[in-house]
Amino acid sequence: GQQVMQIPQYQHVQEGEDFTTYCNSSTTLSNIQWYKQRPGGHPVFLIQLVKSGEVKKQKRLTFQFGEAKKNSSLHITATQTTDVGTYFCAENSGGSNYKLTFGKGTLLTVNP
Amino acid sequence: DTAVSQTPKYLVTQMGNDKSIKCEQNLGHDTMYWYKQDSKKFLKIMFSYNNKELIINETVPNRFSPKSPDKAHLNLHINSLELGDSAVYFCASSQGLGRGLMNTEAFFGQGTRLTVV
Repeated sequence: GQQVMQIPQYQHVQEGEDFTTYCNSSTTLSNIQWYKQRPGGHPVFLIQLVKSGEVKKQKRLTFQFGEAKKNSSLHITATQTTDVGTYFCAENSGGSNYKLTFGKGTLLTVNP
Repeated sequence: DTAVSQTPKYLVTQMGNDKSIKCEQNLGHDTMYWYKQDSKKFLKIMFSYNNKELIINETVPNRFSPKSPDKAHLNLHINSLELGDSAVYFCASSQGLGRGLMNTEAFFGQGTRLTVV
């Protein structure tokens, strides 16, 4: 099945610095989703990208889907301590697979 | 109201015991999942169900037996617990997954932290 490789595994930043996490696939993705999991919490959906080259913004978060639909990124501008958590990308094998496969996640820590 | 609720939140048990985790969703979704999250935070799918039918069994040992009495419930029973079963187990649900572009977000329960001693 499809797999998404996510990098980096860990990222530590000073508050106010930017942060980016990347997901890459060897095959074309039908769509990609992003989730955030706070420490001790559960994954929470952030966004879904479907179209080639799509860019979506949520306040300080910018999500991109590559033109070839094989990669995606999440960029946070001017990180805050509330951004701490693990960010996951996830892809589903469309059709009848009913399977949402997660990347290994990027743990973001922010030094105040 | 909690959209996806699972119980218990914590479970500490001895090796060899049998335990169950319950999950219920009130979102009207037709697809439910069990995920296992290990100490490295890797979220691995175990099972997915659609309208009470097993769709995905991701090479999970047969000590793990999911049961879906109706599409709002997906319970997980584990026999003969082993130390390696210690992890956080998440139940999740979604609507429309598997129908191409009609995929929707997955809602997760709060998780059950299972510790086998």
